[in-house]
Amino acid sequence: QKEVEQDPGPLSVPEGAIVSLNCTYSNSAFQYFMWYRQYSRKGPELLMYTYSSGNKEDGRFTAQVDKSSKYISLFIRDSQPSDSATYLCAMSAPGYNKLIFGAGTRLAVHP
Amino acid sequence: KAGVTQTPRYLIKTRGQQVTLSCSPISGHRSVSWYQQTPGQGLQFLFEYFSETQRNKGNFPGRFSGRQFSNSRSEMNVSTLELGDSALYLCASSLGRGNAHEQYFGPGTRLTVT
Repeated sequence: QKEVEQDPGPLSVPEGAIVSLNCTYSNSAFQYFMWYRQYSRKGPELLMYTYSSGNKEDGRFTAQVDKSSKYISLFIRDSQPSDSATYLCAMSAPGYNKLIFGAGTRLAVHP
Repeated sequence: KAGVTQTPRYLIKTRGQQVTLSCSPISGHRSVSWYQQTPGQGLQFLFEYFSETQRNKGNFPGRFSGRQFSNSRSEMNVSTLELGDSALYLCASSLGRGNAHEQYFGPGTRLTVT
């Protein structure tokens, strides 16, 4: 079983929809939870990170972490065609620079 | 502020050859990590360098190696290339150790082994 599980999709939604992306994990040592966006043939771009449990909001993006359930989510409000990309969750334990990634969810937002 | 740069962007090599990839981190960043991305395995951690020393290593064979220079620039080397080494190799930099949550990636080097 992988340390981080993420449904690869693809996920197709109409423009303006609320998108929910999720990951589960098994390692309770993880304290940092990141979301990256990767466009085709580009490197991953850091969207936001959360430390431990709780919510964090940045514009149209909201990240949630539930450590008791080992479950993290990224919500995208008012989705745009430009949001079409692969979204990767990543996690790390304190003191380590090693990121453990989910498989990535491919999102398509159609006009 | 310039981002992470990687050279070359594309590379085609033959089985058995070796290859060296280069990474220049964001100015002021002292930690450099390398990852391999393939369709089947996703993004996997190769190794991390900080202060010219390898600090952490992923589960890859010894054919994969790296080094870091005093200016924080890093190189990774793959010897005796195999077809399965075809992948996007990504470099990420952060300020220091314990800053995994603020790692910034370069555009990657796409390696094709024939």
